[in-house]
Amino acid sequence: DAGVTQSPTHLIKTRGQQVTLRCSPKSGHDTVSWYQQALGQGPQFIFQYYEEEERQRGNFPDRFSGHQFPNYSSELNVNALLLGDSALYLCASSLLGTDTQYFGPGTRLTVL
Amino acid sequence: AQRVTQPEKLLSVFKGAPVELKCNYSYSGSPELFWYVQYSRQRLQLLLRHISRESIKGFTADLNKGETSFHLKKPFAQEEDSAMYYCALSGPNSGGSNYKLTFGKGTLLTVNP
Repeated sequence: DAGVTQSPTHLIKTRGQQVTLRCSPKSGHDTVSWYQQALGQGPQFIFQYYEEEERQRGNFPDRFSGHQFPNYSSELNVNALLLGDSALYLCASSLLGTDTQYFGPGTRLTVL
Repeated sequence: AQRVTQPEKLLSVFKGAPVELKCNYSYSGSPELFWYVQYSRQRLQLLLRHISRESIKGFTADLNKGETSFHLKKPFAQEEDSAMYYCALSGPNSGGSNYKLTFGKGTLLTVNP
């Protein structure tokens, strides 16, 4: 089991563009959470998906949206990119009802 | 609102010395507390959680509700302990959803030979 995987590893976009990040959870996990980690900061919760629905959401604007597929994989979409969206985006998977989240390596997004 | 504070951005100790990484939290209920660690070029991983009261790699952490703290301690630091450490908390998970973590900004621990 490769654990949580994320693609792409790095991404460069310009302001106003849209981006899609992808995450495959650890085998057997059904819940996916997304976090944004700005430079020098801890990860900040964006939202969580379970059973293909958004279950919890952090303090992020509607420009951030997501999706979960029947195979539990997930996408994070960000529209109308701003310079401040430059960050490492982390995906974490877990099994509903358990407290351990397994993190992926992250996608480094740079907005120019 | 829930908040986690790690007052030290950097902490440097010598091998064999005791180490304590501080974590204070703000939460109006009974939180679940965790320590996550990120070694160089590795992904973020769970080190320990207060509810299990376990010792992992010689590290322990005690939840002090009176002081709203969850400091991470190790009596004798090793060079391989050098890493970024994040304290995190989660409120009780509601039905149909799972743990949502609030992280501190992290403390970079360097253990010198």
